[in-house]
Amino acid sequence: GAGVSQSPSNKVTEKGKDVELRCDPISGHTALYWYRQSLGQGLEFLIYFQGNSAPDKSGLPSDRFSAERTGGSVSTLTIQRTQQEDSAVYLCASSFRQGGNEKLFFGSGTQLSVL
Amino acid sequence: GDSVTQMEGPVTLSEEAFLTINCTYTATGYPSLFWYVQYPGEGLQLLLKATKADDKGSNKGFEATYRKETTSFHLEKGSVQVSDSAVYFCALKRIRSGGSNYKLTFGKGTLLTVNP
Repeated sequence: GAGVSQSPSNKVTEKGKDVELRCDPISGHTALYWYRQSLGQGLEFLIYFQGNSAPDKSGLPSDRFSAERTGGSVSTLTIQRTQQEDSAVYLCASSFRQGGNEKLFFGSGTQLSVL
Repeated sequence: GDSVTQMEGPVTLSEEAFLTINCTYTATGYPSLFWYVQYPGEGLQLLLKATKADDKGSNKGFEATYRKETTSFHLEKGSVQVSDSAVYFCALKRIRSGGSNYKLTFGKGTLLTVNP
């Protein structure tokens, strides 16, 4: 596709279950980012990938959160043992390369609701 | 650490009204400043940017001027349209050598509703 694609667009899960969120970046984009958008909190940086490696995982809120990227393309964000405070919109973005004033392209996000 | 503070919404205007959304920042050095817009059901899109003091970013009738003396980057538009209804995010990125120049720091967003 032409843009960043995220799936699912909506996910409702029960507290304690694991969830996987998927991001397909724009083809050829080497940099990939995950952000979390919580109600009234703005966008919170979670993790950054350059290729398949993640030089900055500092934004992951706990060890229940993990992410991987394979083939320099698709990325999966996994949340284990979900809690109600994990409810948010999870946004993925990609750019052609890191740094500078490189433009980020965002997906539409995954709305996660933990009951 | 870096931070961005923008006026809380929601902001409701009538069509053709003047818009200002305030944004101030705290950062070490000389960051680049951005406004992103999120239309209903869509991902964030870059609206405009400014990379150094006194630069003016502009796009689609929106403007913002990088004011280092007041650490501000207020968004303005002279005459809003219904189609401008969206959430607007102010953001900064520290541009520095040696890596770590990838992270955008966002404000909390301001919901704008324009009524016909």
